[in-house]
Amino acid sequence: DAGITQSPRHKVTETGTPVTLRCHQTENHRYMYWYRQDPGHGLRLIHYSYGVKDTDKGEVSDGYSVSRSKTEDFLLTLESATSSQTSVYFCAISEHLGSNEKLFFGSGTQLSVL
Amino acid sequence: TQLLEQSPQFLSIQEGENLTVYCNSSSVFSSLQWYRQEPGEGPVLLVTVVTGGEVKKLKRLTFQFGDARKDSSLHITAAQTGDTGLYLCAGDTGRRALTFGSGTRLQVQP
Repeated sequence: DAGITQSPRHKVTETGTPVTLRCHQTENHRYMYWYRQDPGHGLRLIHYSYGVKDTDKGEVSDGYSVSRSKTEDFLLTLESATSSQTSVYFCAISEHLGSNEKLFFGSGTQLSVL
Repeated sequence: TQLLEQSPQFLSIQEGENLTVYCNSSSVFSSLQWYRQEPGEGPVLLVTVVTGGEVKKLKRLTFQFGDARKDSSLHITAAQTGDTGLYLCAGDTGRRALTFGSGTRLQVQP
């Protein structure tokens, strides 16, 4: 199994509070991604990183920010959580981008915003 | 609007039956991947198809990429309970990261 650890695995929080999810990899892969998974929508890209301090927005980036200060860590922050951000969040890594891209996923974080 | 449409959304079959899952788009993809996801876990890559018309086999699973590289299918022969899961297709359009379909949830009954 690829060395990807997401923390926490489960979190319940209240509307308006800040939340940070962490993804840690031991594979030294260049690319890291945050996806959210909701029924009927599959996986939707929030943000991704192509190197330390290099990040870009995905299709559902509003309300989220990310940081990557080290190769191995990619943080996702919800500055002020809303109920629409209740979801399962997956971190993924890959060595390449494009046709040779092979994603390895973490086990996910179940976030509930009440 | 989903860039990649998967059908059916849900499928419940008996062990031993055959099934086909479809992944369709109006966009052309340089490559397309299929993932399987089990409850409580992240998706796991099954296969990548790159060439239009390409067919790949993985034991009882057969994957086909459409000639125009806009669609793909996954056929499972003699389904087993271990095939139960969420099947996701994902396409590379050359922009940003992979785009995922909404998934097909397969339940194989013993």
